[in-house]
Amino acid sequence: GENVEQHPSTLSVQEGDSAVIKCTYSDSASNYFPWYKQELGKRPQLIIDIRSNVGEKKDQRIAVTLNKTAKHFSLHITETQPEDSAVYFCAATLNDMRFGAGTRLTVKP
Amino acid sequence: EAGVVQSPRYKIIEKKQPVAFWCNPISGHNTLYWYLQNLGQGPELLIRYENEEAVDDSQLPKDRFSAERLKGVDSTLKIQPAELGDSAVYLCASSLAGALNEQFFGPGTRLTVL
Repeated sequence: GENVEQHPSTLSVQEGDSAVIKCTYSDSASNYFPWYKQELGKRPQLIIDIRSNVGEKKDQRIAVTLNKTAKHFSLHITETQPEDSAVYFCAATLNDMRFGAGTRLTVKP
Repeated sequence: EAGVVQSPRYKIIEKKQPVAFWCNPISGHNTLYWYLQNLGQGPELLIRYENEEAVDDSQLPKDRFSAERLKGVDSTLKIQPAELGDSAVYLCASSLAGALNEQFFGPGTRLTVL
């Protein structure tokens, strides 16, 4: 089955700086890669996703890049704000969605 | 539009007791998922339904866990008997047909087994 690894497990940045979270996956047939944000005690919510026929996707301050050859994808958050503080999960989908272990992002004001 | 609804939100039971969780997906979503989320970890799939059919239950511990989605709408996940290691958040999610669509999560049920 699919195996997803996510790094780093924790990330602390100053407000206004950029944050990058990286994930690798094992099955080259995976073709849908969403990113979810989960605030403490809340449900995971989709923030951006990318499909295997696209290399990059951007939505305001958030962007995701996908390298199918290397089987890795990354989340980029620019101009970080304190409200970006949360746990972020990547996932790779073949028949089902497999999640990474999460990255706890802290944005210091 | 109402989101995915789960109940109860919290449940505390003693080990060896049974427990059940209920989920009502977003209207029109044929696919329903049950996940287990341990503290500090990502969600782990337990079972996926396409309408009333369980199409992937390979990660469901069938000796003590069972699930049903009789009319292809809401679903129930049961544990009998519960063990200490079952303490976790149980998340339900739904999506349009198939696994390649955005999944919408419910608020989860936090289970504590004493």
